[in-house]
Amino acid sequence: AQSVTQLGSHVSVSEGALVLLRCNYSSSVPPYLFWYVQYPNQGLQLLLKYTSAATLVKGINGFEAEFKKSETSFHLTKPSAHMSDAAEYFCAVRRSNFGNEKLTFGTGTRLTIIP
Amino acid sequence: NAGVTQTPKFQVLKTGQSMTLQCAQDMNHNSMYWYRQDPGMGLRLIYYSASEGTTDKGEVPNGYNVSRLNKREFSLRLESAAPSQTSVYFCASSEVQLYSNQPQHFGDGTRLSIL
Repeated sequence: AQSVTQLGSHVSVSEGALVLLRCNYSSSVPPYLFWYVQYPNQGLQLLLKYTSAATLVKGINGFEAEFKKSETSFHLTKPSAHMSDAAEYFCAVRRSNFGNEKLTFGTGTRLTIIP
Repeated sequence: NAGVTQTPKFQVLKTGQSMTLQCAQDMNHNSMYWYRQDPGMGLRLIYYSASEGTTDKGEVPNGYNVSRLNKREFSLRLESAAPSQTSVYFCASSEVQLYSNQPQHFGDGTRLSIL
């Protein structure tokens, strides 16, 4: 069974500091990985997705994630935090290769930005 | 661009009442999903529909039923609401492509309270 683990349910960083949100996955097949962001009282928006074309994936709002097979990780980073980055972030893995299979979500990391 | 539309946005029910949550997507996606989101638990899949005319159980289907009315619409029904079903419900849709990392697109959610 495929799963994801997000380390740290709450992360606080100062404005302008590095953001690092951790995600580790377990997968018996090459994984399909995603990061989503959820702003208060809204649905989930896609930040970025992993494709086998590149291990470093760039997403929206200056976020990026690096796929490391040896560490089974897909951590999300942003060099300089902005107040507007305050939200909840979810890592997700799709369970198979066959297109429409189900996503398994991590439990989420709430990011707080300190002015 | 409407994307995925959920109605209603908020609802309060009494224990034992029934209700149907509506979801419609205008992206011509084959697959649709219903999730519930509870604090500290991420998103959990209730039911999904891989294509028009098919539905399958997810992780937490008990107490729910679904109908894939046509390609656009996928409804979730609570036959006899219980306080444990107090949650935020999200509908999502995605395209089906073999060996392709297609993301799911989410609605803004329905916030449901059962008293």
